[in-house]
Amino acid sequence: TQLLEQSPQFLSIQEGENLTVYCNSSSVFSSLQWYRQEPGEGPVLLVTVVTGGEVKKLKRLTFQFGDARKDSSLHITAAQPGDTGLYLCAGPSLGMLTFGGGTRLMVKP
Amino acid sequence: GAGVSQSPRYKVAKRGQDVALRCDPISGHVSLFWYQQALGQGPEFLTYFQNEAQLDKSGLPSDRFFAERPEGSVSTLKIQRTQQEDSAVYLCASSEARVGGRETQYFGPGTRLLVL
Repeated sequence: TQLLEQSPQFLSIQEGENLTVYCNSSSVFSSLQWYRQEPGEGPVLLVTVVTGGEVKKLKRLTFQFGDARKDSSLHITAAQPGDTGLYLCAGPSLGMLTFGGGTRLMVKP
Repeated sequence: GAGVSQSPRYKVAKRGQDVALRCDPISGHVSLFWYQQALGQGPEFLTYFQNEAQLDKSGLPSDRFFAERPEGSVSTLKIQRTQQEDSAVYLCASSEARVGGRETQYFGPGTRLLVL
């Protein structure tokens, strides 16, 4: 079974601060996805990283896939209250998605 | 273009009661997935369908859980004799293509089940 571990589990920061969320596994994944989930809603896909060492940027969000394709990180620059939510990493495994436990981010104004 | 819809959005059941959760995938999507998300956790895979065929049900926690997609569109997840540990959010997702590639899964809002 491929497992994904996310850290930290909880993060509470002030508006304008930077933060990094980590997603680690002992297994190699063909790709990794990052989702954001708001209360009462399903996860929404932010990005898919495919190539080892790949870096993708989405406005203030920067996603990186580790060279060995076992880990990934999400960096948010100048966080805003609208970034508040549950951030999930997920990897495909025999068709279904294996999710990490999530990082719950709260950005205070 | 409607997204994935699920009903009911909230369900309160007494322990021992049977429940049925419905998922309407995006029209034309071949693959349909069910996940269970416990409070404060990431979603965990339950089962998936390709059209009407249930190709993997390895994530169903017990034989009290049963899923079907008889016409390859709408799916129902049924839980018999509910237990308190069944309390969770049940998420449905659909994707356009057959499982195996990097197809994006689109998630519904989930059904929050509370078993008292």
